Amino acid sequence: DSGVTQTPKHLITATGQRVTLRCSPRSGDLSVYWYQQSLDQGLQFLIQYYNGEERAKGNILERFSAQQFPDLHSELNLSSLELGDSALYFCASSVGQTGELFFGEGSRLTVL
Amino acid sequence: DAKTTQPNSMESNEEEPVHLPCNHSTISGTDYIHWYRQLPSQGPEYVIHGLTSNVNNRMASLAIAEDRKSSTLILHRATLRDAAVYYCILRDHYGGSQGNLIFGKGTKLSVKP
Repeated sequence: DSGVTQTPKHLITATGQRVTLRCSPRSGDLSVYWYQQSLDQGLQFLIQYYNGEERAKGNILERFSAQQFPDLHSELNLSSLELGDSALYFCASSVGQTGELFFGEGSRLTVL
Repeated sequence: DAKTTQPNSMESNEEEPVHLPCNHSTISGTDYIHWYRQLPSQGPEYVIHGLTSNVNNRMASLAIAEDRKSSTLILHRATLRDAAVYYCILRDHYGGSQGNLIFGKGTKLSVKP
């Protein structure tokens, strides 16, 4: 158990819909990272937050957005969903910006 | 971002040592070498990291070449539980993209009983 909690574990929805994935980082960790893992693309870095502020952006689509709240939990919002958005979405946290990353078990999104 | 090159796959026998190579010829002075692994159906987990000197921990050892253009992750006695995809990642601890881990394809390690 990494201490990072992601909900929901599984989600099935239809194209065009919007979903929210939630991440609770380990206690004391200020940095949160989001990754997408699909079969053909591997692990893709989406976005990083540090203590509520966006610190880095990766290959995140404009249809996707994220935020980190004052209690340090984070949400990843995916809208206008397409079939290709079906993937595992991982959240990770670390104490600072260079510490070891601890990954959650992921949220598996299926878009039908 | 500086890139790493790893073999797509490797095989090992149980209880034998495994040496997983990684080439990173464009490494910069502020890049740390990180290794993570991803077991089937799980999120990645940290294995080890280093800058210049060889490093040991309870999971593995990291041997870094003197010119830092390559490194080797060493699992001293492979177990079936070590079957996973191993990622070698360069992480800039001081640059503008500090903190980000950019994953490549990794090496899929199979362990035979």
